[in-house]
Amino acid sequence: ETGVTQSPTHLIKTRGQQVTLRCSSQSGHNTVSWYQQALGQGPQFIFQYYREEENGRGNFPPRFSGLQFPNYSSELNVNALELDDSALYLCASGVGLAGLEQYFGPGTRLTVT
Amino acid sequence: QQQVKQSPQSLIVQKGGISIINCAYENTAFDYFPWYQQFPGKGPALLIAIRPDVSEKKEGRFTISFNKSAKQFSLHIMDSQPGDSATYFCAASRFYLGSNYKLTFGKGTLLTVNP
Repeated sequence: ETGVTQSPTHLIKTRGQQVTLRCSSQSGHNTVSWYQQALGQGPQFIFQYYREEENGRGNFPPRFSGLQFPNYSSELNVNALELDDSALYLCASGVGLAGLEQYFGPGTRLTVT
Repeated sequence: QQQVKQSPQSLIVQKGGISIINCAYENTAFDYFPWYQQFPGKGPALLIAIRPDVSEKKEGRFTISFNKSAKQFSLHIMDSQPGDSATYFCAASRFYLGSNYKLTFGKGTLLTVNP
């Protein structure tokens, strides 16, 4: 077990709605990254937060946003959901900018209908 | 543009055999190459990783071979077991202090180890 938890496990939303996914990292892991994994594909980097500030972003539109909190929890928010947003959303935590190892949670399966 | 190419897409190996998965990368600035193992319904789990200053790293039955000049690296699973049946992802990242180190993943290899 990585000590990284995510909630909810599964979620079904309708196109156009908004969704918030949550992640809880291990104590001391002050870096969190979010990834989107479409069926049969490798995870794709959405963005990373370090000490509660966005530290890098992949090729995702602004309707994907995030927050990181001092208690090692974080959120991924997606507005105006599209059918293509259906995927497994993974968060990964690590220690600082010098720590290369990232530990993934089990993911949230989002289905947009 | 796919920066990390992984092959094969699927692999079937007999119990006790050697599983070999290959990856090639394009960005010479990549300096960290991990392999992840993912079981259905689970998140990827870090298996083994290598930096480009060494050509091989071994941990138990898992070995990474790294060829910097060819921009290739591979995962070897010795004495493959049915419990190794999973999807394996190679990844690469580029790190320099003060910047992000996003992982760029390959598309994955579905490994099936027959008993």
